[in-house]
Amino acid sequence: AQSVTQPDIHITVSEGASLELRCNYSYGATPYLFWYVQSPGQGLQLLLKYFSGDTLVQGIKGFEAEFKRSQSSFNLRKPSVHWSDAAEYFCAVGARGGSNYKLTFGKGTLLTVNP
Amino acid sequence: KAGVTQTPRYLIKTRGQQVTLSCSPISGHRSVSWYQQTPGQGLQFLFEYFSETQRNKGNFPGRFSGRQFSNSRSEMNVSTLELGDSALYLCASSLVAVSSTEAFFGQGTRLTVV
Repeated sequence: AQSVTQPDIHITVSEGASLELRCNYSYGATPYLFWYVQSPGQGLQLLLKYFSGDTLVQGIKGFEAEFKRSQSSFNLRKPSVHWSDAAEYFCAVGARGGSNYKLTFGKGTLLTVNP
Repeated sequence: KAGVTQTPRYLIKTRGQQVTLSCSPISGHRSVSWYQQTPGQGLQFLFEYFSETQRNKGNFPGRFSGRQFSNSRSEMNVSTLELGDSALYLCASSLVAVSSTEAFFGQGTRLTVV
């Protein structure tokens, strides 16, 4: 069964500081990997995804993530955080081939940005 | 193009009642998935439909059911509501499957059971 762990429930950073959100997954092979962001009262928006190829993927809003097979990790990074980045971030995995037609999400990391 | 539309946005129901939530996917998307989001359990998969067929179902009791119509719109129904069913219910649409292509989420329906 696939699973996702986001070790940090809540992270606080200052505006302009760098950010790294951790994500570890468990899956029998290399899954499809996603990062979603959720602002209060809103649905989820896709930031970026990894399917294959280059292990460093670029997303929207200046985010990037690196897939590390040896560590079963897919950490999200941003070099300089803006106040508008305050939100909850979810890492998710999907079965390769889409055979179970679902996303498995981590519990999320709440990001607070101090001015 | 229009996004995923979920109606209603907010609902308050009494224990024992039933409720129906609606999701209109992005035009051309044939896969619709439903997720329950609670502070304690996070995002949990309910079920997924493609071309009116349920392809997968999560670990929820039989009180939770769904269906998809020929125009890809989907509904989910919860019967005999319990306090623990209070949650944000999110619908996601995608071209083929949320697990292998980009999923677009609606804003959700906030269900409160009293």
